[in-house]
Amino acid sequence: DIVMTQSPATLSVSPGERPTLSCRASQSLSGNLAWYQQKPGQAPRLLIYGASTRATGIPARFSGSGSGTEFTLTISSLQSEDFAVYFCQQYNKWPPTFGQGTKVEI
Amino acid sequence: QVQLVESGGGLVKPGGSLRLSCVASGFTFSDYSMSWIRQAPGKGLEWISYFSSTGNNVYYVDSVKGRFTISRDNAKDSLYLQMNSLRVEDTAVYYCVRGGMIADGIFGRWGQGTLVTVSS
Repeated sequence: DIVMTQSPATLSVSPGERPTLSCRASQSLSGNLAWYQQKPGQAPRLLIYGASTRATGIPARFSGSGSGTEFTLTISSLQSEDFAVYFCQQYNKWPPTFGQGTKVEI
Repeated sequence: QVQLVESGGGLVKPGGSLRLSCVASGFTFSDYSMSWIRQAPGKGLEWISYFSSTGNNVYYVDSVKGRFTISRDNAKDSLYLQMNSLRVEDTAVYYCVRGGMIADGIFGRWGQGTLVTVSS
């Protein structure tokens, strides 16, 4: 199975800052990577797929980039509602696998 | 709007069984693959099972093979997960998830989840 590794585990930021979250895959994903946001007590929400395509309704401040085995999620100006856990996930090969998550906190 | 509503979770003893259900609405259920994804308390996400839109393919993560069975009833817009021989480590919130049109592994819609607790 493809192993997904996210860093850092926790990111302490302030509103208005520009956090960058990293995700590394154990093998090339051909761009088949997604990002999800999960707030406490809620189901995950799809943010990005295809490494860089925003899902429907996702604000433009969320952007994804990367290729091969290295990927990044950037939030251009952090809003209060963006404090959450973010997961990357590969869908290049079955089974789909997730990173362990990055918690974005104040 | 798209909705996925799970039910059937609860407290069960090790070795017991549960059947989870998920009712879909707001989209043509038969057009989409469906998966179950679980999340142990305070942990990450684990995909556990998949049922293709055509019905030709069913997949499981190794840890549940032989114990869990996924099924769907397109006439009832419903997805199911029969869980047998439950273990303590199966304790988790179980999400019913819709696959994407572009790729089955893009999980664009999630239910609210149902909690399964396996404990003596």
